[in-house]
Amino acid sequence: GEEVAQTPKHLVRGEGQKAKLYCAPIKGHSYVFWYQQVLKNEFKFLISFQNENVFDETGMPKERFSAKCLPNSPCSLEIQATKLEDSAVYFCASNLGGFGTEAFFGQGTRLTVV
Amino acid sequence: SQQGEEDPQALSIQEGENATMNCSYKTSINNLQWYRQNSGRGLVHLILIRSNEREKHSGRLRVTLDTSKKSSSLLITASRAADTASYFCATETSGSRLTFGEGTQLTVNP
Repeated sequence: GEEVAQTPKHLVRGEGQKAKLYCAPIKGHSYVFWYQQVLKNEFKFLISFQNENVFDETGMPKERFSAKCLPNSPCSLEIQATKLEDSAVYFCASNLGGFGTEAFFGQGTRLTVV
Repeated sequence: SQQGEEDPQALSIQEGENATMNCSYKTSINNLQWYRQNSGRGLVHLILIRSNEREKHSGRLRVTLDTSKKSSSLLITASRAADTASYFCATETSGSRLTFGEGTQLTVNP
């Protein structure tokens, strides 16, 4: 596709429940990124993929967060046992890779943990 | 801590005026990018300036970069109500990973 597609747009989970977010990057883009935005500012990098391989996962809270990008499937970000502080908008972005290439962002998934 | 700090945090101007936003960062960079976020939407790429460039223009946008001061500015000339949005600077270091500033909320009043 010509845009990064994220689903669902909104997700509400009770504390302790699992949340799974999906992202279809732009066709032909090799890199996929996940960012977390809390309180309308501060984008926090979570993880990046080069094709289906994890490229940089230094931003991931390892205990409860996991992510995958499998061939011929949307990428996913999964949060086990959600906590109140996981409430945020999660953005996926993709690009062709390499320095100085524009990143294209999806519209985000708003996760609310109650 | 945040790589980038932006000021002002909020800016309110009248249509037709110019808007200037500043961004400072802490580490060496390959390039610096500016993005816009409309309320409830994703980020839209505006302009990229490489570390060996000092100034760049795109339409009504003008970006400067001072690597000695580790700072950048975004100027929007002849602002319009549709420019109302949050603006973020982002530095690219390794692996295309972006580190964002905290953003400037720009309001352009008709």
